[in-house]
This record gives sequence, C-alpha cells and structure tokens, in this order.
Amino acid sequence: EAQVTQNPRYLITVTGKKLTVTCSQNMNHEYMSWYRQDPGLGLRQIYYSMNVEVTDKGDVPEGYKVSRKEKRNFPLILESPSPNQTSLYFCASSLSSSYNEQFFGPGTRLTVL
Amino acid sequence: RKEVEQDPGPFNVPEGATVAFNCTYSNSASQSFFWYRQDCRKEPKLLMSVYSSGNEDGRFTAQLNRASQYISLLIRDSKLSDSATYLCVVNMGDDKIIFGKGTRLHILP
Repeated sequence: EAQVTQNPRYLITVTGKKLTVTCSQNMNHEYMSWYRQDPGLGLRQIYYSMNVEVTDKGDVPEGYKVSRKEKRNFPLILESPSPNQTSLYFCASSLSSSYNEQFFGPGTRLTVL
Repeated sequence: RKEVEQDPGPFNVPEGATVAFNCTYSNSASQSFFWYRQDCRKEPKLLMSVYSSGNEDGRFTAQLNRASQYISLLIRDSKLSDSATYLCVVNMGDDKIIFGKGTRLHILP
C-alpha cells in the first residue's frame, strides 16, 4: 500500500530533550516536506526537500533540523525542544515537486512540557 | 493582503444544499492550486487540483479566476459525509507552498 508513515504518533517530552520524528514514504517520491499545524494558524511549512541531500527552509524552520540521506526517509529533529513547539506535525511527499499532489502522513502530536 | 485567505466558517448547511467557498491569494505569479479536505485530527487529503479551465469531479467543481486572484469550490447535493475542513493550497513559485487556514463545513441532517 502506497503510504507515508510517521513515528511516533504521539509524544510527550520535556524541554531540552532531543527528539526525532521519523517519516518514510514508499512511493519513490522525490519531494518531501514537514508541516506543523496549530489552531488559528493553519498548516505551516517547516522544511522541504527536493531530493536526496537537498533540503531547504520553509516558513518556520527555527528550532528544527532535517536530513535527507535516503530518498524514502526525511526525519525531523528537534535538538532542544521548547513548549512553543507543541503542535501537530505532518510529513508529506509528492512525486517531483510541490506542484504535484502531496500525500500526508497520519501526523505526530507532540507535547513539550 | 494575506498570502492565502479563506473564510474560516463554520458554514452550517442542510443536507442536499449547494455550498460554495472562495479562497483568495496575493501573488499573481502563483503557479498551481489545490483543494484539500481535512477531517478532525486527521491528515489532509487532496480533493481536487484546480486548473485554469476549471475542474469537475462528481458533485464537486473547482474554478480559478486569475484576474481576481481567487479559487472557488462548489459542492452540490451536499452529504453528511462532506462535513470537514476544506483547505485551499497555493503554490507561489520557487517551491513556496502556502496553505489557507481552512473553511469548516458542517452538513446538517
């Protein structure tokens, strides 16, 4: 089944404790992206990647890192999480660019205490 | 003007009615447009791409008005299962993609 998977789905952590949210797609998509969704603010892009070893900042990259060592994986790293990073995070992928339909993962609900 | 703007609603519409939403965008050079549907606490899913010539899929019709810089979504014969949040998505070029904050739709029995 073609899909985007994220892990974990739910995470409660404390300020400053490094964490990684994994994202993997099995559709051989080149473009991958991370978003956060907050009430009243909608979906905002954090980082995106056009292909392996190519990553770019979205609208809200501060406090996040990403890597794209393999085509299928695009982990989101929070080196020192803070409470304002409490949010619902979605990973997405598309065939070749943001001009194509994006397929979203199921989301990761992160709470930073 | 906000980059992508939608009426947040909620739109409370009786079953069987026709409902329409608009979404305005600020960048006249925007390249591509989409409507996504998002159910509560779930991931967004593509509903329709919006082409210059318009696009129809069953009860759903999407249109683009470049001169006035808006896209629209029309839902005919609405069903209870159409209740969701509808997200307007605009690609503004240079891979800058902006999501609207969404319009909430409630279909009433």
